[in-house]
Amino acid sequence: KAGVTQTPRYLIKTRGQQVTLSCSPISGHRSVSWYQQTPGQGLQFLFEYFSETQRNKGNFPGRFSGRQFSNSRSEMNVSTLELGDSALYLCASSPGTTGTGTQYFGPGTRLTVL
Amino acid sequence: TQLLEQSPQFLSIQEGENLTVYCNSSSVFSSLQWYRQEPGEGPVLLVTVVTGGEVKKLKRLTFQFGDARKDSSLHITAAQPGDTGLYLCAGGRATDSWGKLQFGAGTQVVVTP
Repeated sequence: KAGVTQTPRYLIKTRGQQVTLSCSPISGHRSVSWYQQTPGQGLQFLFEYFSETQRNKGNFPGRFSGRQFSNSRSEMNVSTLELGDSALYLCASSPGTTGTGTQYFGPGTRLTVL
Repeated sequence: TQLLEQSPQFLSIQEGENLTVYCNSSSVFSSLQWYRQEPGEGPVLLVTVVTGGEVKKLKRLTFQFGDARKDSSLHITAAQPGDTGLYLCAGGRATDSWGKLQFGAGTQVVVTP
């Protein structure tokens, strides 16, 4: 099976702009989770989508949002970008209802905010 | 505050030496995963453990899940330069949904020839 794919791999934006990141999960996986990784905070959970519904949310401001489509592909959006939003954004997929809860990660999108 | 505490934060060893990385918590986890991450890439799954006391071996890597499912360890025998990377433990709790993992801060391992 093909792995989790994320596009784009790299992004450079300026403060105040907005950005949309895309994630395609492993075929058959219905759960997509998003994480932010920074050197200071490590991997922080943003939110999880399952069957087009947000099932769980981390402690991030409302500027961070997401959605999931009927084919399980997911997008996350960050509005009014701040310098502190510079990070590696990781998407992970899992079956969502069975198994051990193991998640499989994509290569990430490196976002730089200038 | 990290729910999962990893130690040490950094480990530098010579090729052929052994190393152990620890992952501890006061919370009980229904499953625990270990990942290895290269710079600029996503974490790659190494193993998942789900049963208290479980031991899994993957070639030179040995993973153990504590009896109480609150801690885990990763032991590498005869480390090689290819083992260099950031090792992350991550746990899933029964109180969270399937799609939420708690991550440790990671252990940076450097193996020099």
